[in-house]
Amino acid sequence: LAKTTQPISMDSYEGQEVNITCSHNNIATNDYITWYQQFPSQGPRFIIQGYKTKVTNEVASLFIPADRKSSTLSLPRVSLSDTAVYYCLVGDSPNAGNMLTFGGGTRLMVKP
Amino acid sequence: DVKVTQSSRYLVKRTGEKVFLECVQDMDHENMFWYRQDPGLGLRLIYFSYDVKMKEKGDIPEGYSVSREKKERFSLILESASTNQTSMYLCASSLRASPYEQYFGPGTRLTVT
Repeated sequence: LAKTTQPISMDSYEGQEVNITCSHNNIATNDYITWYQQFPSQGPRFIIQGYKTKVTNEVASLFIPADRKSSTLSLPRVSLSDTAVYYCLVGDSPNAGNMLTFGGGTRLMVKP
Repeated sequence: DVKVTQSSRYLVKRTGEKVFLECVQDMDHENMFWYRQDPGLGLRLIYFSYDVKMKEKGDIPEGYSVSREKKERFSLILESASTNQTSMYLCASSLRASPYEQYFGPGTRLTVT
Protein backbone atom coordinates (compact mmCIF):
# COMPACT_ATOMS: atom_id res chain seq x y z
CA LEU A 1 0.00 0.00 0.00
CA ALA A 2 1.40 3.34 -0.99
CA LYS A 3 2.45 5.47 1.96
CA THR A 4 1.40 9.10 1.93
CA THR A 5 3.11 12.16 3.35
CA GLN A 6 1.28 15.41 4.09
CA PRO A 7 2.15 18.56 6.02
CA ILE A 8 1.06 18.29 9.63
CA SER A 9 -0.63 21.66 9.68
CA MET A 10 -1.40 24.73 7.60
CA ASP A 11 -2.81 28.15 8.34
CA SER A 12 -4.87 30.29 6.01
CA TYR A 13 -7.21 33.26 6.02
CA GLU A 14 -10.80 33.51 4.96
CA GLY A 15 -11.25 34.02 1.24
CA GLN A 16 -7.89 32.57 0.28
CA GLU A 17 -7.31 29.52 -1.87
CA VAL A 18 -5.67 26.67 0.02
CA ASN A 19 -3.58 23.98 -1.59
CA ILE A 20 -2.63 20.88 0.38
CA THR A 21 -0.10 18.59 -1.23
CA CYS A 22 0.26 14.88 -0.59
CA SER A 23 3.27 12.82 -1.63
CA HIS A 24 2.80 9.18 -2.61
CA ASN A 25 5.98 8.07 -4.35
CA ASN A 26 5.09 4.38 -4.37
CA ILE A 27 1.66 4.70 -5.89
CA ALA A 28 0.65 1.63 -7.89
CA THR A 29 -0.88 1.56 -11.34
CA ASN A 30 -4.35 0.70 -10.09
CA ASP A 31 -4.36 3.09 -7.13
CA TYR A 32 -6.80 5.96 -6.82
CA ILE A 33 -6.19 9.07 -4.73
CA THR A 34 -8.89 9.98 -2.24
CA TRP A 35 -9.26 12.94 0.12
CA TYR A 36 -11.36 13.18 3.26
CA GLN A 37 -12.26 16.02 5.60
CA GLN A 38 -12.85 15.58 9.32
CA PHE A 39 -14.31 18.04 11.78
CA PRO A 40 -13.82 17.59 15.53
CA SER A 41 -16.06 14.93 17.07
CA GLN A 42 -17.30 13.77 13.68
CA GLY A 43 -16.46 10.97 11.29
CA PRO A 44 -14.43 11.77 8.16
CA ARG A 45 -16.32 12.94 5.10
CA PHE A 46 -15.39 11.98 1.56
CA ILE A 47 -14.39 15.05 -0.47
CA ILE A 48 -12.97 13.97 -3.79
CA GLN A 49 -11.28 11.13 -5.62
CA GLY A 50 -9.16 11.01 -8.75
CA TYR A 51 -6.82 8.90 -10.83
CA LYS A 52 -4.98 11.39 -13.04
CA THR A 53 -5.00 15.00 -14.28
CA LYS A 54 -7.70 17.11 -12.68
CA VAL A 55 -10.98 16.41 -10.96
CA THR A 56 -13.36 19.10 -9.75
CA ASN A 57 -16.57 19.00 -7.77
CA GLU A 58 -18.62 21.53 -5.84
CA VAL A 59 -16.29 21.36 -2.86
CA ALA A 60 -12.74 21.09 -4.17
CA SER A 61 -10.37 20.36 -7.02
CA LEU A 62 -7.78 17.62 -7.15
CA PHE A 63 -4.69 18.04 -9.27
CA ILE A 64 -2.60 15.00 -10.15
CA PRO A 65 0.58 15.34 -12.24
CA ALA A 66 1.48 12.87 -14.95
CA ASP A 67 3.82 10.81 -12.75
CA ARG A 68 1.09 10.56 -10.06
CA LYS A 69 3.69 10.67 -7.29
CA SER A 70 1.89 13.53 -5.62
CA SER A 71 -1.49 15.20 -5.61
CA THR A 72 -2.82 18.57 -4.52
CA LEU A 73 -6.18 19.25 -2.96
CA SER A 74 -7.30 22.77 -3.74
CA LEU A 75 -9.99 24.50 -1.67
CA PRO A 76 -11.17 27.74 -3.28
CA ARG A 77 -11.94 30.75 -1.10
CA VAL A 78 -11.91 29.01 2.27
CA SER A 79 -14.13 30.06 5.15
CA LEU A 80 -13.86 29.51 8.88
CA SER A 81 -15.99 26.38 8.50
CA ASP A 82 -13.26 24.76 6.40
CA THR A 83 -11.11 24.44 9.51
CA ALA A 84 -10.66 20.68 9.75
CA VAL A 85 -8.22 17.83 9.28
CA TYR A 86 -7.71 16.71 5.69
CA TYR A 87 -6.57 13.18 4.89
CA CYS A 88 -5.02 11.88 1.70
CA LEU A 89 -5.38 8.18 0.96
CA VAL A 90 -4.00 6.10 -1.87
CA GLY A 91 -5.13 2.62 -2.77
CA ASP A 92 -7.12 0.31 -4.94
CA SER A 93 -9.19 -2.06 -2.89
CA PRO A 94 -9.19 -2.91 0.82
CA ASN A 95 -8.67 -6.59 0.35
CA ALA A 96 -6.21 -8.64 2.36
CA GLY A 97 -2.81 -7.02 2.39
CA ASN A 98 -4.03 -3.74 1.01
CA MET A 99 -5.56 -1.98 3.95
CA LEU A 100 -7.12 1.45 3.72
CA THR A 101 -4.82 3.58 5.83
CA PHE A 102 -5.48 7.06 7.03
CA GLY A 103 -2.27 8.91 7.79
CA GLY A 104 -1.95 11.74 10.25
CA GLY A 105 -3.67 14.21 7.95
CA THR A 106 -3.17 17.95 7.60
CA ARG A 107 -4.75 20.19 10.17
CA LEU A 108 -6.00 23.29 8.38
CA MET A 109 -6.73 26.36 10.46
CA VAL A 110 -8.65 29.13 8.72
CA LYS A 111 -8.39 32.49 10.44
CA PRO A 112 -10.67 35.52 10.08
CA ASP B 1 -29.49 11.05 1.88
CA VAL B 2 -26.86 8.51 2.85
CA LYS B 3 -26.85 7.48 6.45
CA VAL B 4 -24.66 5.48 8.77
CA THR B 5 -25.82 5.27 12.35
CA GLN B 6 -24.08 3.95 15.42
CA SER B 7 -25.89 2.62 18.44
CA SER B 8 -24.37 4.96 21.02
CA ARG B 9 -22.64 8.31 20.93
CA TYR B 10 -21.02 7.81 24.33
CA LEU B 11 -20.45 4.60 26.28
CA VAL B 12 -18.80 3.86 29.60
CA LYS B 13 -17.91 0.27 30.45
CA ARG B 14 -15.89 -1.51 33.11
CA THR B 15 -12.76 -3.54 32.52
CA GLY B 16 -13.60 -7.12 31.61
CA GLU B 17 -17.09 -6.40 30.31
CA LYS B 18 -18.20 -7.61 26.92
CA VAL B 19 -19.06 -4.63 24.75
CA PHE B 20 -21.16 -4.50 21.59
CA LEU B 21 -20.99 -1.58 19.19
CA GLU B 22 -23.62 -1.60 16.47
CA CYS B 23 -23.53 0.08 13.10
CA VAL B 24 -26.35 0.29 10.57
CA GLN B 25 -26.27 1.72 7.05
CA ASP B 26 -29.24 2.35 4.80
CA MET B 27 -27.40 2.65 1.49
CA ASP B 28 -27.28 -1.03 0.50
CA HIS B 29 -23.48 -0.90 0.62
CA GLU B 30 -21.54 -4.14 0.35
CA ASN B 31 -18.50 -2.98 2.35
CA MET B 32 -18.53 -2.02 6.00
CA PHE B 33 -15.62 -0.98 8.21
CA TRP B 34 -14.72 -0.43 11.84
CA TYR B 35 -11.97 2.03 12.81
CA ARG B 36 -10.69 3.46 16.02
CA GLN B 37 -9.26 6.93 16.28
CA ASP B 38 -6.81 8.02 18.93
CA PRO B 39 -4.95 11.32 19.30
CA GLY B 40 -1.64 11.21 17.49
CA LEU B 41 -2.40 7.86 15.87
CA GLY B 42 -5.02 8.83 13.32
CA LEU B 43 -7.64 6.35 12.18
CA ARG B 44 -6.72 2.70 12.29
CA LEU B 45 -8.69 -0.07 10.64
CA ILE B 46 -9.83 -2.82 13.00
CA TYR B 47 -11.93 -5.03 10.72
CA PHE B 48 -13.87 -4.76 7.52
CA SER B 49 -16.49 -6.84 5.78
CA TYR B 50 -17.17 -7.02 2.05
CA ASP B 51 -20.27 -9.19 2.28
CA VAL B 52 -22.66 -10.78 4.73
CA LYS B 53 -20.84 -13.21 7.03
CA MET B 54 -17.49 -12.22 5.50
CA LYS B 55 -14.79 -10.38 7.41
CA GLU B 56 -11.16 -9.38 7.03
CA LYS B 57 -8.72 -8.26 9.70
CA GLY B 58 -7.43 -4.77 9.54
CA ASP B 59 -4.33 -3.33 11.13
CA ILE B 60 -5.31 -3.82 14.77
CA PRO B 61 -7.80 -6.70 15.19
CA GLU B 62 -6.43 -7.99 18.50
CA GLY B 63 -9.01 -7.88 21.27
CA TYR B 64 -11.89 -7.36 18.85
CA SER B 65 -14.27 -9.48 16.84
CA VAL B 66 -17.03 -8.58 14.39
CA SER B 67 -20.31 -9.93 13.16
CA ARG B 68 -22.19 -9.28 9.95
CA GLU B 69 -25.39 -11.29 9.78
CA LYS B 70 -27.29 -8.80 7.65
CA LYS B 71 -26.05 -6.58 4.87
CA GLU B 72 -27.01 -3.36 6.62
CA ARG B 73 -25.59 -4.17 10.05
CA PHE B 74 -21.99 -4.58 11.22
CA SER B 75 -21.21 -5.17 14.88
CA LEU B 76 -17.92 -4.71 16.69
CA ILE B 77 -17.42 -6.80 19.81
CA LEU B 78 -14.90 -6.23 22.55
CA GLU B 79 -14.73 -9.64 24.17
CA SER B 80 -13.23 -8.39 27.42
CA ALA B 81 -12.87 -4.63 27.49
CA SER B 82 -9.59 -3.17 28.67
CA THR B 83 -8.57 0.39 29.45
CA ASN B 84 -6.38 0.57 26.34
CA GLN B 85 -9.53 0.15 24.27
CA THR B 86 -10.78 3.53 25.41
CA SER B 87 -11.13 5.34 22.11
CA MET B 88 -13.40 6.83 19.48
CA TYR B 89 -14.87 4.07 17.31
CA LEU B 90 -16.01 4.90 13.82
CA CYS B 91 -18.05 2.78 11.46
CA ALA B 92 -18.10 3.32 7.70
CA SER B 93 -19.61 1.76 4.62
CA SER B 94 -18.99 1.86 0.89
CA LEU B 95 -20.02 0.32 -2.36
CA ARG B 96 -17.89 -2.59 -3.53
CA ALA B 97 -17.17 -0.67 -6.73
CA SER B 98 -15.94 2.38 -4.78
CA PRO B 99 -14.22 1.02 -1.68
CA TYR B 100 -12.42 4.27 -0.96
CA GLU B 101 -15.55 6.43 -1.08
CA GLN B 102 -16.61 5.64 2.44
CA TYR B 103 -19.45 7.11 4.44
CA PHE B 104 -18.82 7.40 8.14
CA GLY B 105 -21.09 7.32 11.13
CA PRO B 106 -20.90 9.90 13.93
CA GLY B 107 -18.69 7.72 16.11
CA THR B 108 -18.96 6.14 19.55
CA ARG B 109 -16.70 7.45 22.26
CA LEU B 110 -16.02 4.46 24.49
CA THR B 111 -14.46 4.83 27.91
CA VAL B 112 -13.33 1.71 29.74
CA THR B 113 -12.71 2.22 33.45
